Amino acid sequence: SQTIHQWPATLVQPVGSPLSLECTVEGTSNPNLYWYRQAAGRGLQLLFYSVGIGQISSEVPQNLSASRPQDRQFILSSKKLLLSDSGFYLCAWRPARNNEQFFGPGTRLTVL
Amino acid sequence: RKEVEQDPGPFNVPEGATVAFNCTYSNSASQSFFWYRQDCRKEPKLLMSVYSSGNEDGRFTAQLNRASQYISLLIRDSKLSDSATYLCATRNPRGYNKLIFGAGTRLAVHP
Repeated sequence: SQTIHQWPATLVQPVGSPLSLECTVEGTSNPNLYWYRQAAGRGLQLLFYSVGIGQISSEVPQNLSASRPQDRQFILSSKKLLLSDSGFYLCAWRPARNNEQFFGPGTRLTVL
Repeated sequence: RKEVEQDPGPFNVPEGATVAFNCTYSNSASQSFFWYRQDCRKEPKLLMSVYSSGNEDGRFTAQLNRASQYISLLIRDSKLSDSATYLCATRNPRGYNKLIFGAGTRLAVHP
């Protein structure tokens, strides 16, 4: 069966510090991968998606970036965090032939 | 206008009640609809896909009304454990297999 992992689970970072969040999927190959952010009490905002290694599409301009160095690995990064980057970051994957997306456990980021 | 809209609630219902949520979408070309459940401070989990003819999974029934551009989720015999936020999502017809999510409807089932 397929599983999706994210780490760390929680993170507290100062403004201006760098960020690296990792997402890995097991039990599948060539998945579509997605990064979402959910601010407190808000809906899910799609940040990035990837259909393959090295292929990244950005949905909204921001100081975040994403990379996909391996088929089942998706990384979200920032060089300098802003207060507004606080939120719940969720990675999701989609099987090749389906439309459903399945979410990882998320990383709760607080920028102080 | 938001592409996908939901009543944020909360819907406060007693155990055993039947409750229904609607979710409207603005793009008539939208395809593939889903309901997710999200517990507090947890990730969304797929509850069910919504098929054109409607579908049922135990106490949960999902319906699609293309003419009025909304989907619905009906929960019968509500349980305390049904308390959560319910998110609807639709596949973005313009995007590459991207889902657009509503902000969610909160359900609170009380004894």
